[in-house]
Amino acid sequence: GAVVSQHPSRVICKSGTSVKIECRSLDFQATTMFWYRQFPKKSLMLMATSNEGSKATYEQGVEKDKFLINHASLTLSTLTVTSAHPEDSSFYICSARDSSGAFSYNEQFFGPGTRLTVL
Amino acid sequence: DAKTTQPPSMDCAEGRAANLPCNHSTISGNEYVYWYRQIHSQGPQYIIHGLKNNETNEMASLIITEDRKSSTLILPHATLRDTAVYYCIVRDNQAGTALIFGKGTTLSVSS
Repeated sequence: GAVVSQHPSRVICKSGTSVKIECRSLDFQATTMFWYRQFPKKSLMLMATSNEGSKATYEQGVEKDKFLINHASLTLSTLTVTSAHPEDSSFYICSARDSSGAFSYNEQFFGPGTRLTVL
Repeated sequence: DAKTTQPPSMDCAEGRAANLPCNHSTISGNEYVYWYRQIHSQGPQYIIHGLKNNETNEMASLIITEDRKSSTLILPHATLRDTAVYYCIVRDNQAGTALIFGKGTTLSVSS
């Protein structure tokens, strides 16, 4: 089946530093990818929609200057958390929408998530 | 906002069928019903989706009522590995928009 990878799976950083998370679709092309955030015991919250070759669309309340998204190719989107603070500690999950029609049974697939801890 | 309502938790004995209900009374004609599940500390996993007909795959069956206002996900023989949070989501496929998650149902399968 379709595989979406995320790197790193876990990251610990100091307050004030920036962290980049990569999301890759390994066996299909994705013109659209989505970034979610999940706090403990809560559901996934959509942060932004990432479109290849254009600017991301952010959900209300998500700071675009703090969460930088780049979707430079059909298989890679990156989320950079700038000047991270402890309240940014969360589980970040990406999903990729299969735009090539490679998989007939479904079109949106999720990565395994990245656990960010900001000290 | 999520357009679905699910019970917060359910229990099931291993080997028995797990029937997870979902209400989506405001579903529109173009919207599909999707089911995903999330095992602890992992990304969501696709299970099944449908528009109006019942669907079955190797993981589960999806039963959609005739008026499409509710559906039931059936795991025919639950195992301990099926313990997860199950999310029912309605989505217009043509729009290509993101999946919006509600609170889901935490299914606990015990031996």
